[in-house]
Amino acid sequence: DIQMTQSPTSLSASVGERVTITCRASQSINIYLNWYQQKPGKAPKLLIYAASILQSGVPSRFSGSGSGTDFTLTISSLQPEDFATYFCQQSFITLYTFGQGTKLEIK
Amino acid sequence: EVQLVESGGGLVKPGGSLRLSCAASGFSFNNYNMIWVRQAPGKGLEWVSSINSRSNYIYYADSVEGRFAISRDNADNSLYLQMSSLRAEDTAVYYCARVNEATADGTWVHYFDSWGQGTLVTVSS
Repeated sequence: DIQMTQSPTSLSASVGERVTITCRASQSINIYLNWYQQKPGKAPKLLIYAASILQSGVPSRFSGSGSGTDFTLTISSLQPEDFATYFCQQSFITLYTFGQGTKLEIK
Repeated sequence: EVQLVESGGGLVKPGGSLRLSCAASGFSFNNYNMIWVRQAPGKGLEWVSSINSRSNYIYYADSVEGRFAISRDNADNSLYLQMSSLRAEDTAVYYCARVNEATADGTWVHYFDSWGQGTLVTVSS
């Protein structure tokens, strides 16, 4: 299995701040990396696929980068609705795996 | 509008069985691969099983292999998860999701672009 490790596991930030979340794969996964946002009691929502492609309807303050084993999700200017948990997920192999999640909280 | 609606969750004793359903609408169900993902209380997301559009490729996580069975009925736009020999550690919200694909950098990539609201399965005596 491919292990996905996110850092940090939790993060406190203020509205307007720029934040970056990192995801590392245990082996190279090319660009087969997706990012999801999940709010309490809700289903995950796709933000970015193929490492850097913004899903339709997702605000442009979200961006993704990386390839191989190291990836980042950046929120350029935090908005109140962005406080949530973020997960990365690899689709390099069909035994899909997720990162453990990064909980983004209001400072 | 794409809609996925899970049902069938509930309280079951260890060793028991349960069948989850996912009703799909708003898209051509028979053209898409589908998956089940679960989330234990307060924990992260865990992929459980995948099935392709024609049901000839099926995959399971090691944690459920041999106990769970995924299936689909394209005529009825429905996805199923038959769960047996349930354990306390299977307690989770179970989501169904659609697998979409696109080309990027000359390769096909897969992602989960639509999710149901989830159904809670509790395994307890």
